[in-house]
Amino acid sequence: DTGVSQNPRHKITKRGQNVTFRCDPISEHNRLYWYRQTLGQGPEFLTYFQNEAQLEKSRLLSDRFSAERPKGSFSTLEIQRTEQGDSAMYLCASSLEWATEAFFGQGTRLTVV
Amino acid sequence: GQQVMQIPQYQHVQEGEDFTTYCNSSTTLSNIQWYKQRPGGHPVFLIQLVKSGEVKKQKRLTFQFGEAKKNSSLHITATQTTDVGTYFCASPNSGGSNYKLTFGKGTLLTVNP
Repeated sequence: DTGVSQNPRHKITKRGQNVTFRCDPISEHNRLYWYRQTLGQGPEFLTYFQNEAQLEKSRLLSDRFSAERPKGSFSTLEIQRTEQGDSAMYLCASSLEWATEAFFGQGTRLTVV
Repeated sequence: GQQVMQIPQYQHVQEGEDFTTYCNSSTTLSNIQWYKQRPGGHPVFLIQLVKSGEVKKQKRLTFQFGEAKKNSSLHITATQTTDVGTYFCASPNSGGSNYKLTFGKGTLLTVNP
């Protein structure tokens, strides 16, 4: 499968715990995005990488959130001290630099209890 | 910031009926993209429209971009049960960026066989 891969698919965590998600983009894509989607809403932009550089972060991304893409390949999204409001589907997407359409992974559904 | 408003929020049709969803913006859009998300799935890119008044067809799906590039529509002719899902329009934020997509809230289509 050469699509965008996300792990884990589901994560249940207790409030206050830290969680980390991984995204493996399509190999030739140098752009990588994280979006968050809650029920009944469209995906909301969180952050964007071009290669290993994080070029933009949404104001939605509080200080508890951090994302990395250390070698310009896979990316991780960490949420520290999770809150119930963090419960959502976290979607990773990637694209070629000159293309505008985004290819999404299957997402990681986070439930904070 | 830029917003794209999408209507209706829900649409239930009998198999064989037509379906249309509309996307509107108060600002001129550089391009408009359409995605489909099956229940429990992730957004899948369908098409991108760039030119004023552009019309594109994919089998039973017809996509239009308004003359003023502020609105768009997706029309499905003779719906089938495989068309079930949420259809999102999305557009890059203003300022020339083509990576940060703003999504509408989507239209959930259900089809009664």
